[in-house]
Amino acid sequence: QQPVQSPQAVILREGEDAVINCSSSKALYSVHWYRQKHGEAPVFLMILLKGGEQKGHEKISASFNEKKQQSSLYLTASQLSYSGTYFCGTELGNQFYFGTGTSLTVIP
Amino acid sequence: DGGITQSPKYLFRKEGQNVTLSCEQNLNHDAMYWYRQDPGQGLRLIYYSQIVNDFQKGDIAEGYSVSREKKESFPLTVTSAQKNPTAFYLCASSIDGASGGKQFFGPGTRLTVL
Repeated sequence: QQPVQSPQAVILREGEDAVINCSSSKALYSVHWYRQKHGEAPVFLMILLKGGEQKGHEKISASFNEKKQQSSLYLTASQLSYSGTYFCGTELGNQFYFGTGTSLTVIP
Repeated sequence: DGGITQSPKYLFRKEGQNVTLSCEQNLNHDAMYWYRQDPGQGLRLIYYSQIVNDFQKGDIAEGYSVSREKKESFPLTVTSAQKNPTAFYLCASSIDGASGGKQFFGPGTRLTVL
Protein backbone atom coordinates (compact mmCIF):
# COMPACT_ATOMS: atom_id res chain seq x y z
CA GLN A 1 0.00 0.00 0.00
CA GLN A 2 2.87 2.35 0.79
CA PRO A 3 3.84 4.67 -2.09
CA VAL A 4 7.30 3.99 -3.46
CA GLN A 5 9.76 6.85 -3.89
CA SER A 6 12.80 7.07 -6.12
CA PRO A 7 15.63 7.61 -5.81
CA GLN A 8 16.22 6.36 -2.25
CA ALA A 9 19.06 8.81 -1.81
CA VAL A 10 20.69 11.60 -3.77
CA ILE A 11 23.67 13.88 -3.20
CA LEU A 12 23.78 17.26 -4.89
CA ARG A 13 26.14 20.18 -5.04
CA GLU A 14 24.69 23.57 -4.25
CA GLY A 15 22.93 24.97 -7.29
CA GLU A 16 22.13 21.60 -8.87
CA ASP A 17 18.61 20.35 -9.56
CA ALA A 18 16.87 17.19 -8.38
CA VAL A 19 13.66 15.30 -9.05
CA ILE A 20 12.02 12.97 -6.55
CA ASN A 21 9.33 10.61 -7.75
CA CYS A 22 6.44 9.06 -5.85
CA SER A 23 4.48 6.15 -7.33
CA SER A 24 1.45 4.27 -6.10
CA SER A 25 0.02 0.93 -7.15
CA LYS A 26 -3.44 2.29 -6.39
CA ALA A 27 -5.34 5.34 -7.61
CA LEU A 28 -4.19 8.62 -6.12
CA TYR A 29 -6.67 11.36 -5.30
CA SER A 30 -4.26 13.69 -3.62
CA VAL A 31 -0.56 13.82 -2.82
CA HIS A 32 1.17 15.53 0.08
CA TRP A 33 4.89 16.35 0.23
CA TYR A 34 6.85 16.77 3.48
CA ARG A 35 10.49 17.35 4.40
CA GLN A 36 12.09 16.00 7.55
CA LYS A 37 15.42 17.19 8.90
CA HIS A 38 17.46 14.75 10.93
CA GLY A 39 15.97 14.21 14.39
CA GLU A 40 13.09 16.58 13.76
CA ALA A 41 9.44 16.26 12.83
CA PRO A 42 8.30 16.37 9.20
CA VAL A 43 7.26 19.75 7.85
CA PHE A 44 4.53 20.19 5.28
CA LEU A 45 5.60 21.46 1.85
CA MET A 46 2.51 21.23 -0.37
CA ILE A 47 -0.59 19.28 -1.34
CA LEU A 48 -1.74 18.49 -4.86
CA LEU A 49 -5.43 17.73 -5.07
CA LYS A 50 -6.15 17.28 -8.73
CA GLY A 51 -4.61 15.24 -11.46
CA GLY A 52 -2.45 17.44 -13.59
CA GLU A 53 -2.07 20.03 -10.86
CA GLN A 54 1.29 21.67 -10.45
CA LYS A 55 2.27 23.71 -7.47
CA GLY A 56 5.31 25.38 -6.19
CA HIS A 57 6.89 28.11 -4.22
CA GLU A 58 10.30 29.59 -4.76
CA LYS A 59 12.45 26.80 -6.15
CA ILE A 60 10.46 23.78 -4.97
CA SER A 61 7.54 22.62 -7.08
CA ALA A 62 5.57 19.46 -7.70
CA SER A 63 3.35 17.85 -10.28
CA PHE A 64 0.64 15.21 -10.02
CA ASN A 65 -0.14 12.78 -12.83
CA GLU A 66 -3.33 11.06 -11.78
CA LYS A 67 -3.39 8.68 -14.74
CA LYS A 68 0.11 7.44 -14.04
CA GLN A 69 -0.62 7.35 -10.30
CA GLN A 70 2.49 9.31 -9.54
CA SER A 71 3.77 12.66 -8.36
CA SER A 72 7.15 14.33 -8.74
CA LEU A 73 8.87 16.94 -6.59
CA TYR A 74 11.27 19.30 -8.33
CA LEU A 75 14.05 21.11 -6.49
CA THR A 76 15.92 23.66 -8.57
CA ALA A 77 19.13 25.49 -7.77
CA SER A 78 19.40 23.51 -4.54
CA GLN A 79 20.53 25.18 -1.32
CA LEU A 80 22.20 23.65 1.73
CA SER A 81 18.93 24.10 3.60
CA TYR A 82 17.20 21.67 1.26
CA SER A 83 19.00 18.73 2.85
CA GLY A 84 16.72 16.26 4.58
CA THR A 85 14.45 13.35 3.86
CA TYR A 86 11.49 13.98 1.60
CA PHE A 87 8.28 12.02 1.94
CA CYS A 88 5.24 11.92 -0.23
CA GLY A 89 1.97 10.88 1.36
CA THR A 90 -1.50 9.95 0.26
CA GLU A 91 -4.77 8.60 1.54
CA LEU A 92 -5.50 5.05 0.41
CA GLY A 93 -8.82 3.72 1.60
CA ASN A 94 -9.44 5.49 4.89
CA GLN A 95 -5.83 5.50 5.96
CA PHE A 96 -2.97 7.89 5.28
CA TYR A 97 0.29 6.40 4.00
CA PHE A 98 3.67 8.03 3.74
CA GLY A 99 6.07 7.00 1.00
CA THR A 100 9.35 5.19 1.48
CA GLY A 101 11.32 8.43 1.64
CA THR A 102 14.18 10.03 -0.30
CA SER A 103 17.29 11.25 1.50
CA LEU A 104 18.64 14.39 -0.13
CA THR A 105 22.03 15.83 0.81
CA VAL A 106 23.25 19.13 -0.57
CA ILE A 107 26.98 19.75 -0.28
CA PRO A 108 28.91 22.99 -0.84
CA ASP B 1 0.99 30.25 19.61
CA GLY B 2 -0.95 27.35 18.12
CA GLY B 3 0.72 24.01 17.77
CA ILE B 4 1.19 20.45 18.90
CA THR B 5 3.11 19.47 21.97
CA GLN B 6 4.44 16.03 22.82
CA SER B 7 5.95 14.96 26.07
CA PRO B 8 8.34 13.77 27.14
CA LYS B 9 10.99 14.34 24.47
CA TYR B 10 12.99 11.30 25.60
CA LEU B 11 11.60 8.32 27.45
CA PHE B 12 13.27 5.24 28.81
CA ARG B 13 11.31 2.17 29.76
CA LYS B 14 12.12 -1.19 31.19
CA GLU B 15 10.88 -4.24 29.40
CA GLY B 16 7.43 -5.30 30.54
CA GLN B 17 6.29 -1.81 31.51
CA ASN B 18 3.48 0.14 29.91
CA VAL B 19 4.20 3.77 29.07
CA THR B 20 1.97 6.62 27.90
CA LEU B 21 3.06 9.29 25.45
CA SER B 22 1.27 12.61 25.59
CA CYS B 23 0.03 14.60 22.58
CA GLU B 24 -1.86 17.89 22.91
CA GLN B 25 -2.94 20.34 20.21
CA ASN B 26 -4.52 23.78 20.43
CA LEU B 27 -5.20 24.14 16.70
CA ASN B 28 -8.85 23.11 17.05
CA HIS B 29 -8.20 20.25 14.65
CA ASP B 30 -10.64 17.36 14.46
CA ALA B 31 -8.21 14.69 13.26
CA MET B 32 -5.18 13.39 15.12
CA TYR B 33 -2.62 10.71 14.24
CA TRP B 34 0.16 8.65 15.79
CA TYR B 35 3.11 7.48 13.70
CA ARG B 36 6.11 5.36 14.47
CA GLN B 37 9.46 5.96 12.78
CA ASP B 38 12.40 3.57 13.00
CA PRO B 39 15.95 4.70 12.14
CA GLY B 40 16.33 5.39 8.43
CA GLN B 41 12.73 4.40 7.80
CA GLY B 42 9.53 6.12 6.86
CA LEU B 43 6.51 6.88 9.01
CA ARG B 44 4.02 4.13 9.75
CA LEU B 45 0.54 4.86 11.06
CA ILE B 46 -0.34 3.37 14.44
CA TYR B 47 -3.75 4.91 15.19
CA TYR B 48 -5.81 7.83 13.99
CA SER B 49 -8.87 9.65 15.19
CA GLN B 50 -11.15 11.80 13.08
CA ILE B 51 -13.44 12.87 15.89
CA VAL B 52 -13.70 12.80 19.66
CA ASN B 53 -14.50 9.39 21.16
CA ASP B 54 -13.68 7.59 17.94
CA PHE B 55 -10.42 6.15 16.59
CA GLN B 56 -9.25 3.57 14.07
CA LYS B 57 -6.29 1.24 13.87
CA GLY B 58 -3.50 1.83 11.42
CA ASP B 59 -1.26 -0.85 9.97
CA ILE B 60 0.81 -1.39 13.11
CA ALA B 61 -1.68 -0.99 15.98
CA GLU B 62 -0.77 -4.23 17.76
CA GLY B 63 0.70 -3.56 21.18
CA TYR B 64 -0.58 0.03 21.29
CA SER B 65 -3.73 1.68 22.61
CA VAL B 66 -5.16 5.20 22.39
CA SER B 67 -8.02 7.30 23.72
CA ARG B 68 -9.66 10.45 22.44
CA GLU B 69 -11.78 11.82 25.26
CA LYS B 70 -11.06 15.45 24.41
CA LYS B 71 -10.55 17.14 21.07
CA GLU B 72 -7.19 18.52 22.17
CA SER B 73 -5.67 15.31 23.47
CA PHE B 74 -4.72 11.97 21.90
CA PRO B 75 -2.47 9.98 24.26
CA LEU B 76 -0.74 6.81 23.08
CA THR B 77 0.01 3.91 25.41
CA VAL B 78 2.78 1.53 24.46
CA THR B 79 1.96 -1.73 26.19
CA SER B 80 4.20 -4.60 27.19
CA ALA B 81 2.68 -6.52 24.28
CA GLN B 82 4.60 -4.37 21.81
CA LYS B 83 7.60 -6.55 20.98
CA ASN B 84 9.97 -3.88 19.72
CA PRO B 85 8.86 -0.48 21.02
CA THR B 86 12.15 1.42 20.70
CA ALA B 87 11.42 4.08 18.06
CA PHE B 88 10.67 7.75 17.40
CA TYR B 89 6.95 8.48 17.92
CA LEU B 90 5.31 11.37 16.13
CA CYS B 91 1.88 12.83 16.75
CA ALA B 92 0.14 14.89 14.09
CA SER B 93 -3.15 16.68 13.56
CA SER B 94 -5.12 18.03 10.63
CA ILE B 95 -8.23 20.16 10.31
CA ASP B 96 -10.22 17.11 9.38
CA GLY B 97 -9.56 13.58 8.25
CA ALA B 98 -10.08 14.29 4.56
CA SER B 99 -7.17 13.77 2.22
CA GLY B 100 -6.88 17.49 1.57
CA GLY B 101 -5.90 18.28 5.14
CA LYS B 102 -2.21 18.96 5.65
CA GLN B 103 -0.78 17.44 8.77
CA PHE B 104 0.99 19.38 11.47
CA PHE B 105 3.48 17.40 13.51
CA GLY B 106 4.61 17.61 17.09
CA PRO B 107 8.34 17.47 17.96
CA GLY B 108 8.21 13.73 18.69
CA THR B 109 9.06 11.42 21.58
CA ARG B 110 12.06 9.14 21.37
CA LEU B 111 11.30 5.95 23.30
CA THR B 112 14.06 3.56 24.32
CA VAL B 113 13.42 0.24 25.97
CA LEU B 114 16.23 -0.88 28.23
